[in-house]
Order: sequence, then structure tokens, then C-alpha cells
Amino acid sequence: DVKVTQSSRYLVKRTGEKVFLECVQDMDHENMFWYRQDPGLGLRLIYFSYDVKMKEKGDIPEGYSVSREKKERFSLILESASTNQTSMYLCASSFGRGGGPQHFGDGTRLSIL
Amino acid sequence: DQQVKQNSPSLSVQEGRISILNCDYTNSMFDYFLWYKKYPAEGPTFLISISSIKDKNEDGRFTVFLNKSAKHLSLHIVPSQPGDSAVYFCAASTVSGGYNKLIFGAGTRLAVHP
Repeated sequence: DVKVTQSSRYLVKRTGEKVFLECVQDMDHENMFWYRQDPGLGLRLIYFSYDVKMKEKGDIPEGYSVSREKKERFSLILESASTNQTSMYLCASSFGRGGGPQHFGDGTRLSIL
Repeated sequence: DQQVKQNSPSLSVQEGRISILNCDYTNSMFDYFLWYKKYPAEGPTFLISISSIKDKNEDGRFTVFLNKSAKHLSLHIVPSQPGDSAVYFCAASTVSGGYNKLIFGAGTRLAVHP
């Protein structure tokens, strides 16, 4: 079974802090994704990566950056956290370039005070 | 603009009956559709998918129907069980920069009661 692990289940930070969310997958998947889930809005794509050191902007990249130094690890960075970034953050991975299913981690609930 | 819409935020069904979850989309270029199920405090898990060249795909109690002319798909769960209570997300696959990405709907919360 694919295992996607997010480093924290719950995180509380203050406005202006730099926040790092970490994600690791163990299935050698090429593609990795970061989403945020908000009530009434579903899952919205922040950034994705299809190879090491490669990244692409998703639909809502503003205020975020990412890093993929190793194939199995994809980090989401909130450069200067703001209260409107309080959300559930979900990491996912998938194989190849097709539109196949993505496998998700259990999420990080981030609160910015 | 929401390209994938789930217009029912919630649905309540009696155990043993059929659950029908609906999803509408606007982009005729979508070529692959997926349903995910999400329990509280867990990530979404893949449930079933359908290619745009088909109109039906079945997997046990779960069947997805696709009506391309209406840009509509639905997930049928028969018979519904209490363990099916979860949030269900519809997703459509699109190509961006040569790579596929998924566009998700807002989700429908299904409650199956005894």
C-alpha cells in the first residue's frame, strides 16, 4: 500500500512566522501535490511537482512556496503566515504522467493565530 | 469559477437503500473522473473512476455513471451501509503544462442511518 506521511497532524503558529509542512511518500512516485481543504470549497491545488527540483503552480499558489530536493519528500512553505492560511493541508502523490488516482496523507490542520 | 460542482452539501439515506451523489462539470476537455471518500481526520481515499469513453463503471456496491452530453456524473451506492457515512468528493482530470492535475468539487457529506 502507498504510504503518504505528513509530519504533523495539528500545528499552531503565529502570524508572520515562516511555516514548514513536510510530506514523505514511500512508493517512488514521480508526482507530488499540496492541497488545502476549506469548507464549501473542496480541495484546491496549491503547488505540484512532477520530478525532483521541479515545481508547478497550482490554482492558489500566492503566499506559498515548495521544495522538492529528494523524490520522496515534498515540502510546503508559508513564507509569512497569515490568518487566512488557517486550513487543512493535504499532501498527495501519484505515479507517472497519466491522470491516475492520487494517494493522500492524513492532513495537517494548521491554525494561524 | 468552479469547474466541478457538487450542488448537494449533504445527503441522508437509510441503511440498505440507494445513495446517489451527483456531480456536474463545465469543461468538456475533462477526460477522466474520480470519486474519493473522506472520513474525519483522515485523507481522502480513492473509490472509483471512469474514463470519458465509458458511460458506466462498477465496483462492488459502487457504480459511477457518466453523461457526457449533460456534463454530469453520479455515484450510486447500493445497498448503503453506516460505514459509508463520509464526505464524497468528485474530481476531474485535466492537463496543465503537459501534466495531469485534478479539479475537485466541494464535496457531499453522506449520512447513512440505521
